[in-house]
Amino acid sequence: DQQVKQNSPSLSVQEGRISILNCDYTNSMFDYFLWYKKYPAEGPTFLISISSIKDKNEDGRFTVFLNKSAKHLSLHIVPSQPGDSAVYFCAAKGQGTYKYIFGTGTRLKVLA
Amino acid sequence: KAGVTQTPRYLIKTRGQQVTLSCSPISGHRSVSWYQQTPGQGLQFLFEYFSETQRNKGNFPGRFSGRQFSNSRSEMNVSTLELGDSALYLCASSLLSGGAETQYFGPGTRLLVL
Repeated sequence: DQQVKQNSPSLSVQEGRISILNCDYTNSMFDYFLWYKKYPAEGPTFLISISSIKDKNEDGRFTVFLNKSAKHLSLHIVPSQPGDSAVYFCAAKGQGTYKYIFGTGTRLKVLA
Repeated sequence: KAGVTQTPRYLIKTRGQQVTLSCSPISGHRSVSWYQQTPGQGLQFLFEYFSETQRNKGNFPGRFSGRQFSNSRSEMNVSTLELGDSALYLCASSLLSGGAETQYFGPGTRLLVL
């Protein structure tokens, strides 16, 4: 059972526009969420996180929104740049647990 | 501060062999987790170690094992390799464990089983 789902395997966006990556989860006990970016042949790089006590966290061009009632997480990248082209993973963790559950990733392609 | 390092970066083995992968966490980090990444499966959690103790284990067979040393370095061992074990193995470290901790990943070890 996939507790963290990224239903869009790929997304293409024009440079300068907004990229919106989505993530849904099923476990209401998750209380900490992260987004990672991964380039080929490299490990995932941490982008941004959000705790369940918040509904928004912003860091530069990256903003993460959390809708707990819908069990939905989204990452907004504005403006999108060609260097943002990568695979993006969302991950979730329950309070007091030691295990992160990852989605299957969304491949973002930013077109110049 | 140096990041998470993993050795070796690439490895080719044959079925039935065993393999040991190594991970050195960020200095001061005490938690090390291991993941397997295969195409279409995302990152699958293998296990997590904190202060030399395994705190959690994913749904992998007993052929997959690990350990952590007193300096927080960790090793992962896979015995009796199968073709399906071909994957990118990622190690991640965090300062503590169980709280709102961000994990930082190493570059991974790409294992090919022939």
